[in-house]
Amino acid sequence: QKEVEQDPGPLSVPEGAIVSLNCTYSNSAFQYFMWYRQYSRKGPELLMYTYSSGNKEDGRFTAQVDKSSKYISLFIRDSQPSDSATYLCARDDMRFGAGTRLTVKP
Amino acid sequence: SAVISQKPSRDICQRGTSLTIQCQVDSQVTMMFWYRQQPGQSLTLIATANQGSEATYESGFVIDKFPISRPNLTFSTLTVSNMSPEDSSIYLCSVPKGPNQYTGELFFGEGSRLTVL
Repeated sequence: QKEVEQDPGPLSVPEGAIVSLNCTYSNSAFQYFMWYRQYSRKGPELLMYTYSSGNKEDGRFTAQVDKSSKYISLFIRDSQPSDSATYLCARDDMRFGAGTRLTVKP
Repeated sequence: SAVISQKPSRDICQRGTSLTIQCQVDSQVTMMFWYRQQPGQSLTLIATANQGSEATYESGFVIDKFPISRPNLTFSTLTVSNMSPEDSSIYLCSVPKGPNQYTGELFFGEGSRLTVL
């Protein structure tokens, strides 16, 4: 079932750093890719979605899909301690990556 | 966005017993999904629950172990039957962002944290 690979981390960065979170997938048939953020002891919340190839930007967050290399990325600029959470990538068939735990240190 | 309420939020159960988890949505939705998130793991889809039909289970999950009810367009239950410690997990209810269409974007409840002793 798990066909979305994601480095589970953990990843620790200083406040203000640029964060890069990545996933790879094996089946090129999928069109939509999502990023979710999950705070400790909370349900995942939808952060962004991208369609096919290209970038999508929302404030400090940029989602990128490279279909040729089957690579999904989420970039966080000017990271804040409040960004500390687990970030999960997902395909449009509702399959999730393992999640990357991010800690942003003040 | 949809507001999803799950009960119980957490429970501690004895081996061999069963627990029913409730999921209430503040709007009508065609599809509801149940996920499991084991400690330190990602989300695994258990089944899709459509109102008026039998739930569709993913590979590795069976109806006898995880019976699901979907009596109306705002409510669903998941029962974890004959529990063992391996069933200790967070169980999450989710609905599509578009209530009657499928784009892969999901809203989640807060989860029900189950510990089996």
